[in-house]
Amino acid sequence: DARVTQTPRHKVTEMGQEVTMRCQPILGHNTVFWYRQTMMQGLELLAYFRNRAPLDDSGMPKDRFSAEMPDATLATLKIQPSEPRDSAVYFCASGLVKDSPQHFGDGTRLSIL
Amino acid sequence: AQTVTQSQPEMSVQEAETVTLSCTYDTSENNYYLFWYKQPPSRQMILVIRQEAYKQQNATENRFSVNFQKAAKSFSLKISDSQLGDTAMYFCAFTSDSGGSNYKLTFGKGTLLTVNP
Repeated sequence: DARVTQTPRHKVTEMGQEVTMRCQPILGHNTVFWYRQTMMQGLELLAYFRNRAPLDDSGMPKDRFSAEMPDATLATLKIQPSEPRDSAVYFCASGLVKDSPQHFGDGTRLSIL
Repeated sequence: AQTVTQSQPEMSVQEAETVTLSCTYDTSENNYYLFWYKQPPSRQMILVIRQEAYKQQNATENRFSVNFQKAAKSFSLKISDSQLGDTAMYFCAFTSDSGGSNYKLTFGKGTLLTVNP
């Protein structure tokens, strides 16, 4: 089965460091989503792309977060500088619009010390 | 804005029995899609079942079925013959293309289901 691939699976780093998370969507999917999961807030949408164009990043703290899709096979989510409150699991999901469900990657567990 | 409410933070069931997880949502849209996702301790997000709002027939996938009540805005998940591997957090999710939402998912807070031997 085709899968969404996320790297790294785990990341531990110190406050102030730059963090880059990568996602390879399922081939042929034209939408890519970034979600953040925490105990307090649950699953929150950070940003998403359709046909590589950013459509909505209203859920993302723009002063430190950025999301890009340099090509159809790669989406990135960067945090610079990172803060302890950014500690969470970050999921990437891909899909086709309308009647196709989103397929999730295994997530990146990020810990900022 | 759409909201999804899962009123049961935790539930438990004995192996082989049936359990129903509740979900309600709020929307003014007529066309939308509803999903149940399962997240086991491995933290993968696994699609369990989906329902299109314009279809009256309730979706079924093996031991999983839904009771979709459009007028009541209710979308419950029934798990029959519960298995130990069903132990997981279950999320109800909503999506539509209204108001520029562009099919992004809105999730409920989740229900932690424990299947006991």
